[in-house]
Amino acid sequence: QQPVQSPQAVILREGEDAVINCSSSKALYSVHWYRQKHGEAPVFLMILLKGGEQKGHDKISASFNEKKQQSSLYLTASQLSYSGTYFCGTGQYNFNKFYFGSGTKLNVKP
Amino acid sequence: DAGVIQSPRHEVTEMGQEVTLRCKPISGHDYLFWYRQTMMRGLELLIYFNNNVPIDDSGMPEDRFSAKMPNASFSTLKIQPSEPRDSAVYFCASSPGLALSTDTQYFGPGTRLTVL
Repeated sequence: QQPVQSPQAVILREGEDAVINCSSSKALYSVHWYRQKHGEAPVFLMILLKGGEQKGHDKISASFNEKKQQSSLYLTASQLSYSGTYFCGTGQYNFNKFYFGSGTKLNVKP
Repeated sequence: DAGVIQSPRHEVTEMGQEVTLRCKPISGHDYLFWYRQTMMRGLELLIYFNNNVPIDDSGMPEDRFSAKMPNASFSTLKIQPSEPRDSAVYFCASSPGLALSTDTQYFGPGTRLTVL
C-alpha cells in the first residue's frame, strides 16, 4: 500500500532538470509532495487531487494521472536549495489511509 | 503561529525504560499525526487523531506503544518498555482538518530517540 518512488536517488548540476515518480497499486484520491532537508522535518510542497490536475510552484510542478495511479514531480532549472529528500504521500478513497513513499534523495551540486 | 511543538528534541534512554514524547499541535487544527522515521522503514504513520479521537492506530508497531490526546492542544506517544529497535526520529504533525487525504500536514521538528 506504500507508494513506490523512483528513482531512489538523483545527482544533478545546478540548472539541470529532474523528474521524480510516484506510483501506487491502489486507487488514489490525492497525492501530496513534501521535501525534507537533512536533519529537518518534512515541508509541504503541494497536493494534487483526482481529476488529473497539474500544479506549479515556482520551478517545481507536478502532475497526477488518476487512471494510472501515478504522480510525477518536475524540478526545472534546479537550484542548490532543491537538495533534500522528496516524499510523495498518497490518500486513498476510503479517506482513512495515508501512506508516504520511501523518498527520493536529490543532490544538486554547483 | 509557533507551529507544531514537540518535546523533548532529543531523548537518550536505556532499554526497558519508559519514554514519553509530547506534542502540541497548531491551534485550531483538527487532525494530529504521529510518525516514525528510520533509514530502514522510511516515514511510517503510527496513529492519527481527529478531534482528539484516535481514528487509525494500525501503524502502531506493538502493544508497547500507546498514544493519547486528552485535549485539542496536547498529545503524547508512550513507549513502555523501550527497546533499541525503537530508536528513530518521531514526528508529530497536525492538519487543519477537512479530510485526511486533502489537507496539508504541518510537521513538528521531531524527537530523536536513542534507546541503548
